[in-house]
Amino acid sequence: GENVEQHPSTLSVQEGDSAVIKCTYSDSASNYFPWYKQELGKGPQLIIDIRSNVGEKKDQRIAVTLNKTAKHFSLHITETQPEDSAVYFCAASSGGGYQKVTFGIGTKLQVIP
Amino acid sequence: GAVVSQHPSRVICKSGTSVKIECRSLDFQATTMFWYRQFPKQSLMLMATSNEGSKATYEQGVEKDKFLINHASLTLSTLTVTSAHPEDSSFYICSAPLGGTNEQFFGPGTRLTVL
Repeated sequence: GENVEQHPSTLSVQEGDSAVIKCTYSDSASNYFPWYKQELGKGPQLIIDIRSNVGEKKDQRIAVTLNKTAKHFSLHITETQPEDSAVYFCAASSGGGYQKVTFGIGTKLQVIP
Repeated sequence: GAVVSQHPSRVICKSGTSVKIECRSLDFQATTMFWYRQFPKQSLMLMATSNEGSKATYEQGVEKDKFLINHASLTLSTLTVTSAHPEDSSFYICSAPLGGTNEQFFGPGTRLTVL
């Protein structure tokens, strides 16, 4: 089955700086890579995703890159704000609809004002 | 985006009792829903896939007789933790994929505490 590794497990940045979280996956059949933000006591919220036919995707301050050859994908948050503080999970999924998603271990991001 | 709700948000029960958690897709139909368990400071672990009109598919190591899943309609799946014990205390989260895509929308979670 799929194995997703994520690092770092914790990340502290000064407000306004950039944050980068990296993930690797094992199953070459994976073709969908979502990123979730989870605040304390809440369910995960999808913040951005990328599919295997795209190398990069950007949405305002958030961008995701995908290197299928190396099986790497990364989340980039620019101009971080205190409200970006949360746990971020990368994930990977393969096949068509209704396929289960395998999560990374999570990165606790702290943005210091 | 699509909305998934869960009820209750928190539940405290005595050891040995059963607890039912509901997961609803509010503005879309979901023939499949997923149930996850999350322990403190850990990732989400898939417990089972709930299928409308058929039996749920359980992940390895998850006891199907302990975690009963019923997908009663296209918008409702329930997870019943039977004979709950303190080690079942966890954060239970459901998700539903939208329209045959990989995109999953998560519920807000249910915090179960077993005394």
